[in-house]
Amino acid sequence: AQKITQTQPGMFVQEKEAVTLDCTYDTSDPSYGLFWYKQPSSGEMIFLIYQGSYDQQNATEGRYSLNFQKARKSANLVISASQLGDSAMYFCAMRVQGAQKLVFGQGTRLTINP
Amino acid sequence: DAGITQSPRYKITETGRQVTLMCHQTWSHSYMFWYRQDLGHGLRLIYYSAAADITDKGEVPDGYVVSRSKTENFPLTLESATRSQTSVYFCATKAGFEETQYFGPGTRLLVL
Repeated sequence: AQKITQTQPGMFVQEKEAVTLDCTYDTSDPSYGLFWYKQPSSGEMIFLIYQGSYDQQNATEGRYSLNFQKARKSANLVISASQLGDSAMYFCAMRVQGAQKLVFGQGTRLTINP
Repeated sequence: DAGITQSPRYKITETGRQVTLMCHQTWSHSYMFWYRQDLGHGLRLIYYSAAADITDKGEVPDGYVVSRSKTENFPLTLESATRSQTSVYFCATKAGFEETQYFGPGTRLLVL
């Protein structure tokens, strides 16, 4: 069975610091995709970044990067130069080959302090 | 271009009543999904649809019914609402050739 684990229920970071949100996954399928979504207090789910299991390089999108360590089955989200607007819930999710559904972790609540 | 809209955004109902949550997309994405979000569980898939008239169960389908007669609409019906169905419901879509699912704004449902 596929599973996503986010071990940090909450994190507090000073503005302008970099932050790493942890995500580990479990699957026996060789082909899969990993996603990060942001959920601000307004409630919507915002797509941030995607990494395919066969991608050779770590994905980057602006201030977001995904630290993909395949052997360790981890897909940590790195936010550089954090901003107050980064305060939100962050969800890691996985899709495996042949399935269209996403399996989500329980989320990490990130709070950026001024 | 609204993308994905969900209605109603908030709904209060009573146990035993039938409730239908609507999802509409303007992108013509082939895939549509319904997830529920509960504290401590993240998001869990209820049903999904690969195309009009094609639907399949997700992780937590019991008590729900879906249909997809048109590509742009994917209604979710709670046939007889229970308190355990109090949740936030998200509709999502995905183009067949893409990886990313895009989510609607969500519907907050309270079953008394």
